[in-house]
Amino acid sequence: AQTVTQSQPEMSVQEAETVTLSCTYDTSESDYYLFWYKQPPSRQMILVIRQEAYKQQNATENRFSVNFQKAAKSFSLKISDSQLGDAAMYFCAYRSDYSSASKIIFGSGTRLSIRP
Amino acid sequence: DVKVTQSSRYLVKRTGEKVFLECVQDMDHENMFWYRQDPGLGLRLIYFSYDVKMKEKGDIPEGYSVSREKKERFSLILESASTNQTSMYLCASSSIRQNQPQHFGDGTRLSIL
Repeated sequence: AQTVTQSQPEMSVQEAETVTLSCTYDTSESDYYLFWYKQPPSRQMILVIRQEAYKQQNATENRFSVNFQKAAKSFSLKISDSQLGDAAMYFCAYRSDYSSASKIIFGSGTRLSIRP
Repeated sequence: DVKVTQSSRYLVKRTGEKVFLECVQDMDHENMFWYRQDPGLGLRLIYFSYDVKMKEKGDIPEGYSVSREKKERFSLILESASTNQTSMYLCASSSIRQNQPQHFGDGTRLSIL
């Protein structure tokens, strides 16, 4: 069975600086998708960025980028120029490519706080 | 934009009551999911459904059941609520395409007294 591990329950970063959130996963599959979700306090969970495992190029969305290391089964999220609005819980997630009915597996989350 | 609507943001019920949590999505998604979210445990899947009247147990189905009579609606039922079911409940939907993310509702914070 697949697992997703986020080893940092909490992180803190100074506003305007860069922070990296870690995520590792375990799978025997070769085709899958990885996601980072953001859940601001008392607000809806939204997708931040996604990565297809067959793509070598790391995904980027504005200030958010990932470092995808398939062999190491690592999928970290880098937030550049941190802003106060980035404060949230961040969840790493995995979805298999082998079934349209496959579920998404989430990590336990990292709470990110931004120091003004 | 995809909209996933959960019927209540906050709900307080008593031990032993039968509790219904409703979720509706407007994007004709095939897949729908119910999670509970607890501090330090992340999101744990209770049940999911990949088609009308189809359901699959997730990781923690005990004490819960679900109903999907229409494609857009997925209901979570607590048959006899207990205090250990006090939690945040999140509903999500997704298309069958694996590269597509799940879209979440705002969540229901359920307290069982």
